[in-house]
Amino acid sequence: GESVGLHLPTLSVQEGDNSIINCAYSNSASDYFIWYKQESGKGPQFIIDIRSNMDKRQGQRVTVLLNKTVKHLSLQIAATQPGDSAVYFCAVLNAGGTSYGKLTFGQGTILTVHP
Amino acid sequence: GAGVSQSPRYKVTKRGQDVALRCDPISGHVSLYWYRQALGQGPEFLTYFNYEAQQDKSGLPNDRFSAERPEGSISTLTIQRTEQRDSAMYRCASSPRTAGSPLHFGNGTRLTVT
Repeated sequence: GESVGLHLPTLSVQEGDNSIINCAYSNSASDYFIWYKQESGKGPQFIIDIRSNMDKRQGQRVTVLLNKTVKHLSLQIAATQPGDSAVYFCAVLNAGGTSYGKLTFGQGTILTVHP
Repeated sequence: GAGVSQSPRYKVTKRGQDVALRCDPISGHVSLYWYRQALGQGPEFLTYFNYEAQQDKSGLPNDRFSAERPEGSISTLTIQRTEQRDSAMYRCASSPRTAGSPLHFGNGTRLTVT
């Protein structure tokens, strides 16, 4: 089955720095990838997504990079702010078969931004 | 409503009791998902529905767990004969399409089995 993991469980940065959060996945046929932000006491909140036919997608202060060769996904946050402090999860969609639509989450990275 | 609504917000029950957790998805959303999340972990897939059809229940831990979505809108996750190991945050999410679109999560139901 699909397994999704993160390289670094915690990340501590200074306000204004850029942050990079990494994720590895195992199923080379996966075709849809999402990053979520989860603040304390709340459900995961959608940040940005990317499909397998792309290798980069940008949003407001965030960029997702996809390297299908090594099955690696990263989230870059520019000019990190204290409000960005949260747990970040990557999630991967099964590519097909009976489980198409099933979204598998990684373990999460705790991002702490110091003022 | 504006988002996915789950009730109750907190549920404390004694071991051996049955519990029913309710999810009210975003209006018009086709897909509905149930996840379980342990503290410090990512959400763990339990089951999901497209409309009223249960597409995948491979994540349900055992036959004490069941879910239904009879009219393709509200869903109920039922846990029979609860055990302490069932204690967790149970999260529901909905999506406007059957696949390939972001899931919108509710704030969850915190279940504690004593």
